[in-house]
Amino acid sequence: EPEVTQTPSHQVTQMGQEVILRCVPISNHLYFYWYRQILGQKVEFLVSFYNNEISEKSEIFDDQFSVERPDGSNFTLKIRSTKLEDSAMYFCASSRDRGSNQPQHFGDGTRLSIL
Amino acid sequence: AQSVSQHNHHVILSEAASLELGCNYSYGGTVNLFWYVQYPGQHLQLLLKYFSGDPLVKGIKGFEAEFIKSKFSFNLRKPSVQWSDTAEYFCAVNARGSSGDKLTFGTGTRLAVRP
Repeated sequence: EPEVTQTPSHQVTQMGQEVILRCVPISNHLYFYWYRQILGQKVEFLVSFYNNEISEKSEIFDDQFSVERPDGSNFTLKIRSTKLEDSAMYFCASSRDRGSNQPQHFGDGTRLSIL
Repeated sequence: AQSVSQHNHHVILSEAASLELGCNYSYGGTVNLFWYVQYPGQHLQLLLKYFSGDPLVKGIKGFEAEFIKSKFSFNLRKPSVQWSDTAEYFCAVNARGSSGDKLTFGTGTRLAVRP
């Protein structure tokens, strides 16, 4: 079964540095998502992306964050000037279509540790 | 905005015991409902989903869930658990027909099955 793949599995970064988390969604999927899970807390929606633009974002997704689909396969989340509170597990997800019948498929996640 | 509550944070069962994990949601409109499972060290996997029709849905690995609209509930059940069911279980919803597809997750229930 095709999978969503994420790299790296673990990223350690100094506070203030920029970090790019990478995702390869399932190849025939058109909708892409980022979620994060701070240790001990629930999985939270960050952003959804379709047709090369953001379709929805949460209040967490401020100017520090950006997403991009630089080519036909990758979907990236960039965090500029990381803060300690950005430490979390970041999950990428994709779906073939939106809404009603199309569940989102998740990657293994990237554990981001900010020092 | 939708919200999801999972009241059991940590459940310990012996093999062959029956399982029921509670999930309640809050939203004024129609929702799609999901249960995801995360086995240790693995990604979130879809266990089952409800979009419409029969409120009793069957998923993989012998799991089922029942949507009770009047109670805003979507409890997960399994008649006889196995050690391999040890995992974290997440209930999630998204609002049907809305402009966004974001999943709203509960805090998760960590299930430990004793052999």
